[in-house]
Amino acid sequence: QKEVEQNSGPLSVPEGAIASLNCTYSDRGSQSFFWYRQYSGKSPELIMFIYSNGDKEDGRFTAQLNKASQYVSLLIRDSQPSDSATYLCAVTPYNTDKLIFGTGTRLQVFP
Amino acid sequence: SQTIHQWPATLVQPVGSPLSLECTVEGTSNPNLYWYRQAAGRGLQLLFYSVGIGQISSEVPQNLSASRPQDRQFILSSKKLLLSDSGFYLCAWRRGDNSPLHFGNGTRLTVT
Repeated sequence: QKEVEQNSGPLSVPEGAIASLNCTYSDRGSQSFFWYRQYSGKSPELIMFIYSNGDKEDGRFTAQLNKASQYVSLLIRDSQPSDSATYLCAVTPYNTDKLIFGTGTRLQVFP
Repeated sequence: SQTIHQWPATLVQPVGSPLSLECTVEGTSNPNLYWYRQAAGRGLQLLFYSVGIGQISSEVPQNLSASRPQDRQFILSSKKLLLSDSGFYLCAWRRGDNSPLHFGNGTRLTVT
């Protein structure tokens, strides 16, 4: 079982729709969770981080964490073509200094 | 504000040649430092991380090594490159265990 798993996609949504990206992790004691966006040929950039169960909103983005189910998601409201990128989920396992990334989900937003 | 510098941006090296990639962080002290590699179309693979000067944790031994000679300097090296070492190398830093990771612009390495 991979430490952090994501559906590779592509996930295609029309402009203006809600895009829902999902991630599961294997270490039940993981404490911090991150979403990054990566455009082709560029380095990842931080979108959101979440530490506690529940929802955290920042503009058009909402991160959702469910530690009991070992599940973290990212919702993008009012999706724009500029949101087309690969979205990486990352997790810090319990009692480590590592940050483990999933393989990413490619999102395509079409006009 | 904090900034991370990584160079060179691109590099083409023949098989069997040595490698040295350097990364420095400004505007913070005692950062955790990380080297990741991303093969074409793949996810980020953690190679090394360091929580202090001279402290290196290796995730993927292979033919790569890392060093941290100064608090905000992190170096990735190889004595002899393999074709499989081609990829996008990313240096990153964070303040502590639960803080976000911040990436440099990356080095695209092609081994020929």
